[in-house]
Amino acid sequence: EDQVTQSPEALRLQEGESSSLNCSYTVSGLRGLFWYRQDPGKGPEFLFTLYSAGEEKEKERLKATLTKKESFLHITAPKPEDSATYLCAVQAEYNFNKFYFGSGTKLNVKP
Amino acid sequence: ETGVTQTPRHLVMGMTNKKSLKCEQHLGHNAMYWYKQSAKKPLELMFVYSLEERVENNSVPSRFSPECPNSSHLFLHLHTLQPEDSALYLCASSQEVPGDIYNSPLHFGNGTRLTVT
Repeated sequence: EDQVTQSPEALRLQEGESSSLNCSYTVSGLRGLFWYRQDPGKGPEFLFTLYSAGEEKEKERLKATLTKKESFLHITAPKPEDSATYLCAVQAEYNFNKFYFGSGTKLNVKP
Repeated sequence: ETGVTQTPRHLVMGMTNKKSLKCEQHLGHNAMYWYKQSAKKPLELMFVYSLEERVENNSVPSRFSPECPNSSHLFLHLHTLQPEDSALYLCASSQEVPGDIYNSPLHFGNGTRLTVT
């Protein structure tokens, strides 16, 4: 069964304290893996797409990496404005209309 | 207007009411989606429309009825809902290019917060 698991469920960091969020997945043929950021009361905002193992994408303090079984979202020297819930989703080759989402990691960065 | 717009932002309805959620996308995409988001649970796919044709109905109860009159508009008609249907309902769109392995990501609206009393 295709599924996505994110860990940890919640993460508290001090401003400047770097860390990583994990997204492990099982899918029969990965078409793409997506990272989103969701702020309270808003819809998910697209961050990155990764297509193949070894690929990396960066945006400001965020860097996403992909292996054959998991993806990491590395946050370098986070700021309070990085506080949000980060969602991971995978898209299968055999059914590209379906995006399987994880439950998310709620990140809280304290000043 | 840009992106994906959903109305209303908040909705409170009784179990015997009938209401509709509206979604409009201004991105020129050809696929639209309804997702349900409940606390601490993954987003649940409800319906997918591709080129205005329903291609996915993810075992959703018949009290939820989607409508896609054109590629820019999507509705979710609600009737005789249950309290457990209270959730954030998210609309999304994407661009599908047949034969293209690089599918576009989902672009979401800000959702309708539904409370069923």
